[in-house]
Amino acid sequence: GEDVEQSLFLSVREGDSSVINCTYTDSSSTYLYWYKQEPGAGLQLLTYIFSNMDMKQDQRLTVLLNKKDKHLSLRIADTQTGDSAIYFCAERSDSGAGSYQLTFGKGTKLSVIP
Amino acid sequence: NAGVTQTPKFQVLKTGQSMTLQCAQDMNHEYMSWYRQDPGMGLRLIHYSVGAGITDQGEVPNGYNVSRSTTEDFPLRLLSAAPSQTSVYFCASSYIGTGDITYGYTFGSGTRLTVV
Repeated sequence: GEDVEQSLFLSVREGDSSVINCTYTDSSSTYLYWYKQEPGAGLQLLTYIFSNMDMKQDQRLTVLLNKKDKHLSLRIADTQTGDSAIYFCAERSDSGAGSYQLTFGKGTKLSVIP
Repeated sequence: NAGVTQTPKFQVLKTGQSMTLQCAQDMNHEYMSWYRQDPGMGLRLIHYSVGAGITDQGEVPNGYNVSRSTTEDFPLRLLSAAPSQTSVYFCASSYIGTGDITYGYTFGSGTRLTVV
């Protein structure tokens, strides 16, 4: 079955770049997502990338996709204390008409040190 | 405001009690699902539905029931609460297939449940 792996913790200093990594196993993945969960809140979609793209940039966020190695990364430039949260990687596989299931990683807790 | 609404936000139950966690969405999403989140375990899928009248089990369905009588609502019932069901519960919804799937899931803000 599908599996999505992430490291559980990352600690960076304010102003540095953060890189959160994710690996997945399903080669039929179509969309890959990054979600952010702030303390006591639900998950909010940060960004997504389609499987035929290598990179997507959105302000301070850069998503890199290496489809050959099934590796996805999220880079946050100039990390701020407000970026402290849990970041979830998720993939949607092409399971035919009506595909809808997302497989989530366990989440990476990003701690930003002032 | 459009989105997924979960109630209650917090709940304390005694072992053996039953209760229903409510979830409602106003985006006309076909797909709705319930997850539980536990430390170090990530999100685990409990039950899901692809439309009114259709439900199916996820990874951890035991001890929970669901129904989907309307597109908007997807309640989760705990039949006889156990301490192992202490968790944070999230409802999520999405379009299916040819709908706008680029947005992935929309999540509710969660229900924090404690069973004593």
